Amino acid sequence: DTAVSQTPKYLVTQMGNDKSIKCEQNLGHDTMYWYKQDSKKFLKIMFSYNNKELIINETVPNRFSPKSPDKAHLNLHINSLELGDSAVYFCASSQGGKGLYEQYFGPGTRLTVT
Amino acid sequence: QKEVEQNSGPLSVPEGAIASLNCTYSDRGSQSFFWYRQYSGKSPELIMFIYSNGDKEDGRFTAQLNKASQYVSLLIRDSQPSDSATYLCAVNSGGSNYKLTFGKGTLLTVNP
Repeated sequence: DTAVSQTPKYLVTQMGNDKSIKCEQNLGHDTMYWYKQDSKKFLKIMFSYNNKELIINETVPNRFSPKSPDKAHLNLHINSLELGDSAVYFCASSQGGKGLYEQYFGPGTRLTVT
Repeated sequence: QKEVEQNSGPLSVPEGAIASLNCTYSDRGSQSFFWYRQYSGKSPELIMFIYSNGDKEDGRFTAQLNKASQYVSLLIRDSQPSDSATYLCAVNSGGSNYKLTFGKGTLLTVNP
């Protein structure tokens, strides 16, 4: 069984469109994350939710809006897509508390904006 | 600016050798340190984590942490061609256990 899953795996779209990426984890974790990995392979955190509450919100354009309907799901909606949004987006999860903060990543969604 | 620095490589070692990967970080308040392996086109895979000064061993992997020197390393013994990947060092930062700052990764190539 996949621990952290994302859909879709690939997303090709045109500039100006709106798209969503979905993430689900079945690890029972209470914290989920969105990361962006650019063409230079630099991995950077965007958002994090703990028990559906936003706890990390890095400097990300407000065209990006995360939503966490429950602690097993974290979705990312992107409005008015731009060429620079092309990247691989990874979802991750962790179980905080007891000093355990290891994060486990999903397979990634490769977004290409044309 | 809190940073995590790694040599980008590529680091090339022969099969069976020890590969040594190094990482320095700037946030003295960091408490959690992680090594991820990322194969080309795949997601980062957690291979080691360390929270206390000293060494932590898991199979062929040993993580070493020196908080005074703000240095964390990963040793891979008996390197195999399947170890060829990019190794990412990650450190918690900004006083948050949840926020990880990643280095840019070191590309390791193990030659048969």
